[in-house]
Amino acid sequence: QMQLQESGPGLVKPSETLSLTCSVSGYSISNGYWWGWIRQTPGKGLEWIGSIYHSRRTYYNPSLKSRLTISVDTSKNQFSLRLTSVTAADTAIYYCARDVVQQLGVNNWFDPWGRGTLVTVSS
Amino acid sequence: SYELTQPPSVSVSPGQTASITCSGDKLGDNYVCWYQQKPGQSPVLVIYENAKRPSGIPERFSGSSSEYTATLTIRGTQAMDEADYYCQAGDRTTVAFGGGTKLTVL
Repeated sequence: QMQLQESGPGLVKPSETLSLTCSVSGYSISNGYWWGWIRQTPGKGLEWIGSIYHSRRTYYNPSLKSRLTISVDTSKNQFSLRLTSVTAADTAIYYCARDVVQQLGVNNWFDPWGRGTLVTVSS
Repeated sequence: SYELTQPPSVSVSPGQTASITCSGDKLGDNYVCWYQQKPGQSPVLVIYENAKRPSGIPERFSGSSSEYTATLTIRGTQAMDEADYYCQAGDRTTVAFGGGTKLTVL
């Protein structure tokens, strides 16, 4: 059974870089699928951040693209998120999930999701 | 950005049918999926590709989609169905989620 688990600092200072890792168990990332990051804030609900394929091809939310890097480490069966120049608006629960893409930008869904990790941006 | 609009809340009596809508420009050109999220839990996929149910999702959950509106229908609603529901779709440049609908089973 595929499971995903987010890990990383729960507190990041404003203007610094938020870094999270998602560890996948029960499935080898090298075998395929896209892998995504989604965040949830009380005010804005769910927001897709971006996704990566095992070949390292990426697609990002245009509103975050300038600050965002998603990478994959197939040897560790992990993928990671790096968001630079964070502000209080980046405070959220961050989820990782398998992104089942049938047609990029047209047909995709996230399943399963990790349990999520709260990241607070504050000095 | 691509916007999907959902009603903030829907109420239903136990055993009745609940309908939750999701509206967006040219929604019919893409596929819609739906998630259920209970307090303190991660979202769970309940409908994908407009109307398909993942394994393990009860048959009382169904979905449909037209040019501008997608609908999640829950027939014979049970108390355990009380949750937040989110639609999701893409517009070829991004992936968007609706703002969520709180389903209350009275």
